[in-house]
Amino acid sequence: EAGVTQFPSHSVIEKGQTVTLRCDPISGHDNLYWYRRVMGKEIKFLLHFVKESKQDESGMPNNRFLAERTGGTYSTLKVQPAELEDSGVYFCASSLGLAGAYEQYFGPGTRLTVT
Amino acid sequence: GNSVTQMEGPVTLSEEAFLTINCTYTATGYPSLFWYVQYPGEGLQLLLKATKADDKGSNKGFEATYRKETTSFHLEKGSVQVSDSAVYFCALSGGGGATNKLIFGTGTLLAVQP
Repeated sequence: EAGVTQFPSHSVIEKGQTVTLRCDPISGHDNLYWYRRVMGKEIKFLLHFVKESKQDESGMPNNRFLAERTGGTYSTLKVQPAELEDSGVYFCASSLGLAGAYEQYFGPGTRLTVT
Repeated sequence: GNSVTQMEGPVTLSEEAFLTINCTYTATGYPSLFWYVQYPGEGLQLLLKATKADDKGSNKGFEATYRKETTSFHLEKGSVQVSDSAVYFCALSGGGGATNKLIFGTGTLLAVQP
């Protein structure tokens, strides 16, 4: 069975441009998470979907970030307009259920560089 | 709020050396604790976990014990291999007021030399 996939693997954009990251979770996983690691720092939670609904978006840094999960399958994370501080690695994860009882499976990440 | 603190890296060891990566946490209630590993070019993988006090998680020769009295979850391995070179992340979820999200430490880069 395929794992969590993310596209693109690497994106380089200029400040002010728009970028859309995509995540395809493991089939059947209702829970989908986005995380971000800024260079050398901890991995920080961005938001959590249960199916197509946003369960927790407390980690979204500001309104330049928009996440969607239409139909409860794949998810996109759009950054518009991008700023220098948005650079980092964006991870997506999916799980069958709650974090304590069910493993979160991570994708390889998208490395975003804003110049 | 809940947080995780882990030792700064990089940690450089010779093959067959003993490994300890320290991790302490701050949380209300009873969180679950995890160690994730990221090998070069790959995504994070769950290495081991413990869901209650005094539980020991183990996998691939790695161990960590959930110590509530010291709020710690140190990762250990008796004899590391070159293939263990990776970034290791300590994390927690749950605990009082928290949701399903994972809260991570900063990660510790381990480099094992032959």
